[in-house]
Amino acid sequence: DIVMTQTPLSSPVTLGQPASISCRSSQSLVNSDGNTYLSWLQQRPGQPPRVLIYQISNRFSGVPDRFSGSGAGTDFTLKISRVEPEDVGVYYCTQASQLPYTFGQGTMLEIK
Amino acid sequence: QVQLQESGPGLVKPSGTLTLTCAVSGGSIKSNNWWTWVRQTPEKGLEWIGEVYHSGNTNYNPSLNSRVTMSVDTSKNQFSLKLTSLTAADTAVYYCSRERTYWGQGILVTVSS
Repeated sequence: DIVMTQTPLSSPVTLGQPASISCRSSQSLVNSDGNTYLSWLQQRPGQPPRVLIYQISNRFSGVPDRFSGSGAGTDFTLKISRVEPEDVGVYYCTQASQLPYTFGQGTMLEIK
Repeated sequence: QVQLQESGPGLVKPSGTLTLTCAVSGGSIKSNNWWTWVRQTPEKGLEWIGEVYHSGNTNYNPSLNSRVTMSVDTSKNQFSLKLTSLTAADTAVYYCSRERTYWGQGILVTVSS
């Protein structure tokens, strides 16, 4: 199985300041079709996960443009340009390039 | 907007069988998508259980493979999960999802006598 490792596990951030979460996979996520199926999910307290970013850098419908994704191969990053109160929650990276699909352990974003 | 809603028992007995159903609205289950089950526990986080296509093709997590069956009912626009030989370790919030983009609200399943 591909292991997804996120850092940090907890990120206290000041409102209006940027935040960054890293995700490293134990194997390359480049699929045989040439695409990289790396997504980022947000889970607010008491809510199901919600997709923010798919295929490394594509924002899902309705996701604010302060969220951006980047990376390639085995190293990926989610950035929030200016953290807002509603961004509090846990963020997960997840891969769908190789079965079984796997998730990172989650990064808790909290406000200082 | 695709919406998904899980249903099923909240409490099941050890060694028993769990059957969950996910009703899909706002879209057809015959679309070109895989329909997924994911579960979440505080200890293990998010765990992909498997996926089913409207044709009946499936992919399962090998860690659960022998205990999992997924199926689709196209007439009801829904899909199902069956998990057998339950233990306390199967206690989790179970989510259905369309390829991890659209998610249901989740259902807490507790395995206890």
